[in-house]
Amino acid sequence: KAGVTQTPRYLIKTRGQQVTLSCSPISGHRSVSWYQQTPGQGLQFLFEYFSETQRNKGNFPGRFSGRQFSNSRSEMNVSTLELGDSALYLCASSFRGRDPTDTQYFGPGTRLTVL
Amino acid sequence: AQSVTQLGSHVSVSEGALVLLRCNYSSSVPPYLFWYVQYPNQGLQLLLKYTSAATLVKGINGFEAEFKKSETSFHLTKPSAHMSDAAEYFCAVSDPPGGFKTIFGAGTRLFVKA
Repeated sequence: KAGVTQTPRYLIKTRGQQVTLSCSPISGHRSVSWYQQTPGQGLQFLFEYFSETQRNKGNFPGRFSGRQFSNSRSEMNVSTLELGDSALYLCASSFRGRDPTDTQYFGPGTRLTVL
Repeated sequence: AQSVTQLGSHVSVSEGALVLLRCNYSSSVPPYLFWYVQYPNQGLQLLLKYTSAATLVKGINGFEAEFKKSETSFHLTKPSAHMSDAAEYFCAVSDPPGGFKTIFGAGTRLFVKA
């Protein structure tokens, strides 16, 4: 069974640009969550999508957005990049229809560097 | 909002010694609690989870954790450390209790000395 796939694995952008990251969940999983990991702030929840709908959202500015497609693949977009957006962005997939304790499976992450 | 506090950003043990990683949660009602491990340049992997079924939870790789309501703790233990256990460990909680947001602690890096 294929795991969670994130593309690209590494990305370098400059301030002011925008970026789109992609996450392909495990087959059959309908929930995709996104997290930002930085040395200073640790792991922070960005948002969660379930069946193409944003079900939960963390405390990030509107520059961070996402969407989920009918095949459960998800993208997140960051507009007007700032230096502080440099981070490892992780996505996790799970069944989690009604059970929030269903195991989340994490991808390897996308390392974003903003210059 | 729910939160977890991990005591000690770094823990060092000798191979074969007991591993104890501490986690305290803040919640007025029993939450769902999780421990994850992250190896270098990899995503997170679930070690174990507490969902109120049993207070002593056994996970993968010989790890276990005990939910103690009186102490609001969910410490992770392993009787005998192995070199391969060297990684970063995160305690996490569902927010709100029973919700779908996962809030992580700051993490504890475990070093294992030969």
